[in-house]
Order: sequence, then C-alpha cells, then structure tokens
Amino acid sequence: SSELTQDPAVSVALGQTVRITCQGDSLRSYYASWYQQKPGQAPVLVIYGKNNRPSGIPDRFSGSSSGNTASLTITGAQAEDEADYYCNSRDSSGNSWVFGGGTKLTVL
Amino acid sequence: QVQLQESGPGLVKPSQTLSLTCTVSGGSISSGGYYWSWIRQHPGKGLEWIGYIYYSGSTYYNPSLKSRVTISVDTSKNQFSLKLSSVTAADTAVYYCARQSHGGAEGGVYFDYWGQGTLVTVSS
Repeated sequence: SSELTQDPAVSVALGQTVRITCQGDSLRSYYASWYQQKPGQAPVLVIYGKNNRPSGIPDRFSGSSSGNTASLTITGAQAEDEADYYCNSRDSSGNSWVFGGGTKLTVL
Repeated sequence: QVQLQESGPGLVKPSQTLSLTCTVSGGSISSGGYYWSWIRQHPGKGLEWIGYIYYSGSTYYNPSLKSRVTISVDTSKNQFSLKLSSVTAADTAVYYCARQSHGGAEGGVYFDYWGQGTLVTVSS
C-alpha cells in the first residue's frame, strides 16, 4: 500500500474547479509534486514544490499544502484535463520516493 | 530539451534478469545536479519508484526491490541502466526512466523529464 493516499476517482463539470488531494505523513516535511498521465503516455509534471508550474503548463493548475495534505487544483477544468493524476514525495523515512495511488479525473 | 529513451528486451523469462538502458540526449549526465531514476507501472496500476543513480555512481533503491535491483551509469555513453534479477510475472510493467531535479527551498524534488516508457513482459 502507498504511503501517499489519493481518492481513486474525481469528477468535475466542464469549466468548474476541482481539487485533487494527496495525504501522507511525509507531506508535513516535504513538498509533493504532481503528474498528469493520459492513456498510453508517460506522466507529465504539472506542479512541483510550494506551487511551481513547469513551462508550458497552463496557469489553471495550482498546488497547495496544509499539514499532511497536498492539493492540486484545476480552476476552470477543460476536456483535455481528463487524465490520471499522481502525487509524489519522499516516504516517511525521507530516503526514498513514493507515488500516490492516483486519481482518475473525469471532466463531465 | 532533455530527452530520455528506454531500450531493451520486451520479453524476459521468469527467473532471469531484466536489463534496460536509458539514453539521455540534450544534456549530460556527468554535468551533475540531477538524479537519474527508474520508475515502473504495472498494467492498469499506479507508479512505483525503483531507484536512482547520481553521475558519480551513488545509488539509492526502493527498499521493497533493493535485493534484486542494480542501477549503473556510463557517462561516456550518457546512459544509465537497470538490472532487475529473478523476475516473475509480477515484474511485468511499463518501465520509465526519468530525470529527478531539485528545485531549491520552495521547489522540492521532482521528476521533470521522462522517457516514453517500455513494456517488459515476464513470461516463458
């Protein structure tokens, strides 16, 4: 079982705001990073650190953290945002990395 | 633009050793500052970090796989490699190589470049 817990599935109406969460004790000490994965493709980094977006990632993607929970927010979800989203951070030992189980986002 | 490309056999027999190589272009492994990782994804499942290597050769492995994993680097070819021994059907997965970067105080650690992935099937 993963040390980072994500809801398996979330849905959002087109144009609305959705928050995807990731819970784990290590998140009290370390930042999470977030990855978008579409079917048959490699994951793509969308958010890292406190709230940083790589070049080319739309500004509707943002990140935040509080306590043991990291969140990825999509403000004004688009059809192309439908994908699996994974969080990643260090494990509780701080020495290796672990991914959350992933959240399947459906845009209605 | 950094690019990573996995290569290796797509079919491995049970009990044998899985061997994959990741070729990096657009950047030099030996320039330092980055860790080079292997990550896998079982069919229809989530992502699992396998381990990383630094250009100097220092490594760290997922404790759950540590006894079977070896990651090595060849800076002259700008490649790093994965060996996973004593494979079973449970090792059937898409294997990705990725670059791991450090973003400073507010950037954390993250995987910013990924290969396209290669499916390795363990079957007799």
